[in-house]
Amino acid sequence: QKEVEQDPGPLSVPEGAIVSLNCTYSNSAFQYFMWYRQYSRKGPELLMYTYSSGNKEDGRFTAQVDKSSKYISLFIRDSQPSDSATYLCAMSERLTGGGNKLTFGTGTQLKVEL
Amino acid sequence: EPEVTQTPSHQVTQMGQEVILRCVPISNHLYFYWYRQILGQKVEFLVSFYNNEISEKSEIFDDQFSVERPDGSNFTLKIRSTKLEDSAMYFCASSEASGLAGVEQYFGPGTRLTVT
Repeated sequence: QKEVEQDPGPLSVPEGAIVSLNCTYSNSAFQYFMWYRQYSRKGPELLMYTYSSGNKEDGRFTAQVDKSSKYISLFIRDSQPSDSATYLCAMSERLTGGGNKLTFGTGTQLKVEL
Repeated sequence: EPEVTQTPSHQVTQMGQEVILRCVPISNHLYFYWYRQILGQKVEFLVSFYNNEISEKSEIFDDQFSVERPDGSNFTLKIRSTKLEDSAMYFCASSEASGLAGVEQYFGPGTRLTVT
């Protein structure tokens, strides 16, 4: 079983739609849960992170974590064409030698159409 | 706004050659990372570096790979003898701290390595 599973899409929605992106994970050592956005041939850009079960909201974005089900989601409200990108979920575990190791999903390619 | 920078943006090399990929992390950050992304695949952790030592490395990071912080600003990834399968996008990242305070890893724009 892969450590992190994410539907690669592509996902195409009309402008203004609510978008739901999801990941599941299997490693209980993951402590922090992140969503990154990546434009073509660019580095991942951190959108949001959370470390406990529940919801966290930031503007049009809501991150949801259910640790009991090992399931995380990102919701985008009122989606805009500028939201078109690949969204990567990432799970973090603290390293004993220092730092955090990120394990990424494959990414979901999102296109928001006018 | 401070950012992670990487050079070169694209490197083409022949199989068996050595390459050095360079990164300048954000200035007050203490933890440094290299990740890679083969075209069409997921971003994969390679190595983490703290206090002038490797704190963790993945199975991918074999003896062909090495990292160094040669001065107070640069962080480099060296591949001694490149293979075709080393062709990928290599991302440098840095974070201010560890644990929850270090969750925010900032990524550079990447170096696209093409091995021919």
